[in-house]
Amino acid sequence: QSALTQPASVSGSPGQSITISCTGTSSDVGGYDYVSWYQQHPGKAPKLMIYDVYNRPSGVSGRFSGSKSGNTASLTISGLQAEDEADYYCSSYTSSTGYVFGTGTKVTVL
Amino acid sequence: ELQLVESGGGLVQPGGSLRLSCAASGFTVRSNYMSWVRQAPGKGLEWVSVIHSGGGTNYAESVKGRFTISRDNSKNMLYLQLNSLRAEDTAIYYCARDRWRLTGLDYWGQGTLVTVSS
Repeated sequence: QSALTQPASVSGSPGQSITISCTGTSSDVGGYDYVSWYQQHPGKAPKLMIYDVYNRPSGVSGRFSGSKSGNTASLTISGLQAEDEADYYCSSYTSSTGYVFGTGTKVTVL
Repeated sequence: ELQLVESGGGLVQPGGSLRLSCAASGFTVRSNYMSWVRQAPGKGLEWVSVIHSGGGTNYAESVKGRFTISRDNSKNMLYLQLNSLRAEDTAIYYCARDRWRLTGLDYWGQGTLVTVSS
């Protein structure tokens, strides 16, 4: 099972919006509405930000939103803030094993 | 408060074995899907294994036949037995709770570091 493909880095200025893509196949992202997104700050455990493509867990800011088209899912962060600087990973259910994670994207707030 | 605490990591020689533990509180392990996820130093997340609420298990191809996931319902504990360890198994190992049947991992432990080196 190959990792889902994400851009290595994305950057934006405070207040701007950025979008992170996550590309898989019809066996994972494209085949199921079970895409999740995680935020990870240095030295910390990952935190669930989005599940089932676009749903936010309680306590997650509404500035985070998810979507999907075909084999590609996306995470959009609007009104970018300094605290959003972190690594972001997508993940999907896959019929072959369990989960597959994305390659990860480093978000930099300029 | 829901909490996951891993332990059991350490330095082990190539070919050696180790058992990781994950103590859960605030919820019942046997009622949830539970996963192990690892992260090599400076690298991304890699899903390792899951145990279903019904007891079924799945593994990533990279660890199949070498790692075994299990749980102790009486102690509310999750385990990962690591055998035939290789240098590329060096990573922080996290246990995590599934919000519902492989649809997202909503609670994570702080991780335990496994280093495989001679």
